[in-house]
Amino acid sequence: EAGVAQSPRYKIIEKRQSVAFWCNPISGHATLYWYQQILGQGPKLLIQFQNNGVVDDSQLPKDRFSAERLKGVDSTLKIQPAKLEDSAVYLCASSSQGGRPSNTQYFGPGTRLTVL
Amino acid sequence: TQLLEQSPQFLSIQEGENLTVYCNSSSVFSSLQWYRQEPGEGPVLLVTVVTGGEVKKLKRLTFQFGDARKDSSLHITAAQPGDTGLYLCAGAPSNDMRFGAGTRLTVKP
Repeated sequence: EAGVAQSPRYKIIEKRQSVAFWCNPISGHATLYWYQQILGQGPKLLIQFQNNGVVDDSQLPKDRFSAERLKGVDSTLKIQPAKLEDSAVYLCASSSQGGRPSNTQYFGPGTRLTVL
Repeated sequence: TQLLEQSPQFLSIQEGENLTVYCNSSSVFSSLQWYRQEPGEGPVLLVTVVTGGEVKKLKRLTFQFGDARKDSSLHITAAQPGDTGLYLCAGAPSNDMRFGAGTRLTVKP
């Protein structure tokens, strides 16, 4: 079974530029998560989708971050404009079950973003 | 302050030694999870503990959930270089998963 795919793996941009990340979850997984992991910290949930609907986006900085999951499969996370403090690894995860927090989440390798 | 406090933050030991890392909170959790994350990879789930006082073993790793379901520990027996990584605990006091900052373990051959 193929795992969660993310691209690109690395991205370097200057502040105020825009960037987008892509995630393809495990086939058949209804729940998709985006996390931000700043160096030295644990992952922080940004947004959770159940199929193509948003379940939780309470920690998403909506003035600059946006995410969509059209057709309930792939997802993109966008930052516009980027700030220096957005430098982090952006992790995508998926789960096959109803999105309860105790369900097993499978993580992708992440996209490492550096904002200069 | 973090909802889940992990200690120690860093740990460097020799191969063959035993170690224990801790995950503490003032909140009660219905379950806690432990993940291991290697450089350049996403976290991988090791175990989920659900019942207060529960002990789960995964080869040389022993996980314990506190009686009050506010804390957990991970004990590794006879550590090996392959155990090197970032160990994260995670739990959901409400509906969203919260992670601790992790313990970064280095096992030297």
